[in-house]
Amino acid sequence: DTGVSQNPRHKITKRGQNVTFRCDPISEHNRLYWYRQTLGQGPEFLTYFQNEAQLEKSRLLSDRFSAERPKGSFSTLEIQRTEQGDSAMYLCASSTGTNQPQHFGDGTRLSIL
Amino acid sequence: GQNIDQPTEMTATEGAIVQINCTYQTSGFNGLFWYQQHAGEAPTFLSYNVLDGLEEKGRFSSFLSRSKGYSYLLLKELQMKDSASYLCAVWGLGGGNKLTFGTGTQLKVEL
Repeated sequence: DTGVSQNPRHKITKRGQNVTFRCDPISEHNRLYWYRQTLGQGPEFLTYFQNEAQLEKSRLLSDRFSAERPKGSFSTLEIQRTEQGDSAMYLCASSTGTNQPQHFGDGTRLSIL
Repeated sequence: GQNIDQPTEMTATEGAIVQINCTYQTSGFNGLFWYQQHAGEAPTFLSYNVLDGLEEKGRFSSFLSRSKGYSYLLLKELQMKDSASYLCAVWGLGGGNKLTFGTGTQLKVEL
């Protein structure tokens, strides 16, 4: 069990730039979730995939955010025209199905200068 | 999470027992999870309750009362390594097909 892998671990960029993060879930997991976490808060749901289908998106997810899971395996999360408020830890998790324990990756910490 | 309440901080002594409470709005409830998160690390799954009662797993136990919208995580024989944030998360709040997390309880274990 190699666990959920996320890359990069850290990303520092200037405001206005685009960034892309990658998540590789546990291989037999068909559900993949993206969360955002800021200091002192719990993870906040962004979106999730069942295989390659994106089934739900948070209302908090602005149109600057887009996520894909083209072959039902790895996923990417892209943020366009980054803003200061996007600074956070972006966590990916995977599970075997509805209402099953989610296993988290170590996250990508995004810092906007 | 605005629909989940848990204490912000707790302090306990090594070797003791501590209970971390979590209350939630019951609308849409379909299961409750507890996660442990050390600073700078990913949350790790501890326990899952969907029916009323106590689930025991080693030093950790979790209790659920669906009618009261209440859960607790019980940690026994506390060790220094148990110092971490403990996150309560509810599946299905408000009818959504997702997990909603509380803000976490920061537990500090002292000698």
